[in-house]
Amino acid sequence: GAGVSQTPSNKVTEKGKYVELRCDPISGHTALYWYRQSLGQGPEFLIYFQGTGAADDSGLPNDRFFAVRPEGSVSTLKIQRTERGDSAVYLCASSPGLASYNEQFFGPGTRLTVL
Amino acid sequence: KQEVTQIPAALSVPEGENLVLNCSFTDSAIYNLQWFRQDPGKGLTSLLLIQSSQREQTSGRLNASLDKSSGRSTLYIAASQPGDSATYLCAVRLNSGYALNFGKGTSLLVTP
Repeated sequence: GAGVSQTPSNKVTEKGKYVELRCDPISGHTALYWYRQSLGQGPEFLIYFQGTGAADDSGLPNDRFFAVRPEGSVSTLKIQRTERGDSAVYLCASSPGLASYNEQFFGPGTRLTVL
Repeated sequence: KQEVTQIPAALSVPEGENLVLNCSFTDSAIYNLQWFRQDPGKGLTSLLLIQSSQREQTSGRLNASLDKSSGRSTLYIAASQPGDSATYLCAVRLNSGYALNFGKGTSLLVTP
């Protein structure tokens, strides 16, 4: 079956603009995660959804960042008033559940560049 | 906050060698630990997952071990091949959360 997909693969925007990043998880996976990876670093957690609700958004850096998952499948990460420091690769992951044997499966990421 | 450290940061070995990548973590109350591979400009590929109750997991030429009490995991790669060249990331999920806490990775180069 298909893995996690993310669109767009690359996004270049100007400082101050609004962007939306999309994630399509593996079909049937109830858990969905967003991470952000800067150059030379490991991914850092942003937000976790269980079904439609954000169960943990403690990793969102500030109120310019927001994410939704209205039907419990596709999720959109929204960034308002983008800043150059937001430039990074945004990774989405999904998991069939929360059991200790459930792996997180990652998508290819969206590379965001803020000029 | 869980701190995850990976040593070495970079490693270059000739083809055919066996090698060990190290991962250490500060909080031993872990739920599970995953090893990932990341190729340049790509996403993460899950290699192995070790549950907190397990000591090791094996997949092909890969073997991962876990010692919770000492806060360490190792990834052993047997008979390395040039195609193994990539960055290897260790990630820990705590009992108290849902997120993975990642190290910075070990960049591996296997030369023919």
